[in-house]
Amino acid sequence: NAGVTQTPKFQVLKTGQSMTLQCAQDMNHNSMYWYRQDPGMGLRLIYYSASEGTTDKGEVPNGYNVSRLNKREFSLRLESAAPSQTSVYFCASRPGPDQPQHFGDGTRLSIL
Amino acid sequence: RKEVEQDPGPFNVPEGATVAFNCTYSNSASQSFFWYRQDCRKEPKLLMSVYSSGNEDGRFTAQLNRASQYISLLIRDSKLSDSATYLCVVSPYSSASKIIFGSGTRLSIRP
Repeated sequence: NAGVTQTPKFQVLKTGQSMTLQCAQDMNHNSMYWYRQDPGMGLRLIYYSASEGTTDKGEVPNGYNVSRLNKREFSLRLESAAPSQTSVYFCASRPGPDQPQHFGDGTRLSIL
Repeated sequence: RKEVEQDPGPFNVPEGATVAFNCTYSNSASQSFFWYRQDCRKEPKLLMSVYSSGNEDGRFTAQLNRASQYISLLIRDSKLSDSATYLCVVSPYSSASKIIFGSGTRLSIRP
């Protein structure tokens, strides 16, 4: 029962480097999401994909891009990492609008 | 006004106590409601969905009051392992994107 799998689990980058965070789900869910959570704070939606082939901005999209590669995979790219992007990144998926989300166990990203 | 509001706590209660959290929401069109728990530095995990008729899962009971626009979570006979942050989640049916997380209520159970 893999559920939602995120890679890598930890990463340290230097300012200006680029990186792609990977997310894959094996539950045949339609919608996928990327969140960030800063220490002591709540979840903030970065981007989401309501269905394969569509992506939309969330609350804090600046500095990020996403790709819904297929129904299973939804990646998040930082083109030029900044220290303000140091955070824990969670990917989530759900079957449809009235269903709960299932989360991956997160990617802990530090940018120096 | 925030779309979903929770008392941030922390609630610090002794083991065995009963504790209740409320969560208010502003969008009367909201259709789906959930409680999640999040342990420190871990991912949120679904605790239970909240149905109009109320629902119970062991020591946990969730209620929905549409007229007053709030949901509640009751934990009976609390255990040390219940220590976590509890997140209220509201989702209007019409939008795949519109999932609103409350900022969470911290609960600490002391021996």
